[in-house]
Amino acid sequence: QKEVEQDPGPLSVPEGAIVSLNCTYSNSAFQYFMWYRQYSRKGPELLMYTYSSGNKEDGRFTAQVDKSSKYISLFIRDSQPSDSATYLCAMSETNAGKSTFGDGTTLTVKP
Amino acid sequence: DADVTQTPRNRITKTGKRIMLECSQTKGHDRMYWYRQDPGLGLRLIYYSFDVKDINKGEISDGYSVSRQAQAKFSLSLESAIPNQTALYFCATSEAGTDYEQYFGPGTRLTVT
Repeated sequence: QKEVEQDPGPLSVPEGAIVSLNCTYSNSAFQYFMWYRQYSRKGPELLMYTYSSGNKEDGRFTAQVDKSSKYISLFIRDSQPSDSATYLCAMSETNAGKSTFGDGTTLTVKP
Repeated sequence: DADVTQTPRNRITKTGKRIMLECSQTKGHDRMYWYRQDPGLGLRLIYYSFDVKDINKGEISDGYSVSRQAQAKFSLSLESAIPNQTALYFCATSEAGTDYEQYFGPGTRLTVT
């Protein structure tokens, strides 16, 4: 079983919809929880990260971490066609020096 | 100019050939990483380096080797390429202590025929 499992998608939504992207994990030692966005033919770029449990908001994006359930989510409000990309969750232990990535969910937002 | 660059961007090679992928960075980061991405399989770590003298194997290091020539340069070699090494390869960097924030290069698309 993989340490990080991500809802596979693909996901297609109309513009303006609320999008929920989700990952589960099995390693209790994970403390940092990241979301990367990858546009077609580009390298991933960090969208936001959360340390330990809780919520973090950045504009239209909200990251949630529930360590008791080993479950993380990324919500996108008022989705835009420019949000169309593959979203990768990633997690790491403190001072581990490396991250473990999910397989990614491809999102398409239709005008 | 891009902070993390990879060369070549595309490469087609034959089974059994040796090939080197190169990564350079101008971010001044100590830590560098090589990942492989296959369709539907996310990013898998091949090797990572904390500094020039500290290199570690990732989850899929078999068939690969690396060289950290300088703080800014990290090369990945396939000694004898095989078709199942066909993939997209990414280099990334991070600062020590902020491994959760990695900066990726544009990727190298490698095809082994």
